[in-house]
Amino acid sequence: SAVISQKPSRDICQRGTSLTIQCQVDSQVTMMFWYRQQPGQSLTLIATANQGSEATYESGFVIDKFPISRPNLTFSTLTVSNMSPEDSSIYLCSVEGRYGYTFGSGTRLTVV
Amino acid sequence: QKEVEQNSGPLSVPEGAIASLNCTYSDRGSQSFFWYRQYSGKSPELIMSIYSNGDKEDGRFTAQLNKASQYVSLLIRDSQPSDSATYLCAVNILGGSARQLTFGSGTQLTVLP
Repeated sequence: SAVISQKPSRDICQRGTSLTIQCQVDSQVTMMFWYRQQPGQSLTLIATANQGSEATYESGFVIDKFPISRPNLTFSTLTVSNMSPEDSSIYLCSVEGRYGYTFGSGTRLTVV
Repeated sequence: QKEVEQNSGPLSVPEGAIASLNCTYSDRGSQSFFWYRQYSGKSPELIMSIYSNGDKEDGRFTAQLNKASQYVSLLIRDSQPSDSATYLCAVNILGGSARQLTFGSGTQLTVLP
């Protein structure tokens, strides 16, 4: 299975600011996925990031709020923009492997 | 109707018992099904994948799939306290133009020593 390095692991941010989360994969992958897990909830897909094209966002998520970059086949970033306390969640990146989907270790974001 | 539904629990079983976790899904075209385990404060960890009708066994874990009934389950035999976690059912469901992994709400399992 692919190994994903995700950072930062956690951050506390002021409302109105932005945070960029990075994911580095140890192998080339076509698609990378970004999820949000709100406190006590399951995972919700934010967007799918393909290299060389714009990310595809799920209903309820927009590019202005969650811009994504995918400069190559091993790296992606998700930015949480103009944060509010409602953005406090765990953010996870994921890739599909031979046996299933692997997740990064997650970024625990607290907005104060 | 939710796309992936799990018995939300919480579920408690005594050590050594069998824990049974259930999941139904709405997309009849789904071909890939997964069970993830998530410890508190950690990211999901894949424990089983299943693609064909029937049973798939891996150690103490058995996944069961019935596509006609749109039902997938996970059995954990000889449950151990270390199995206490939230178990997430995930299904590859057609969303928009591509298939995407969709999660159920999770079942919190507690194995009592």
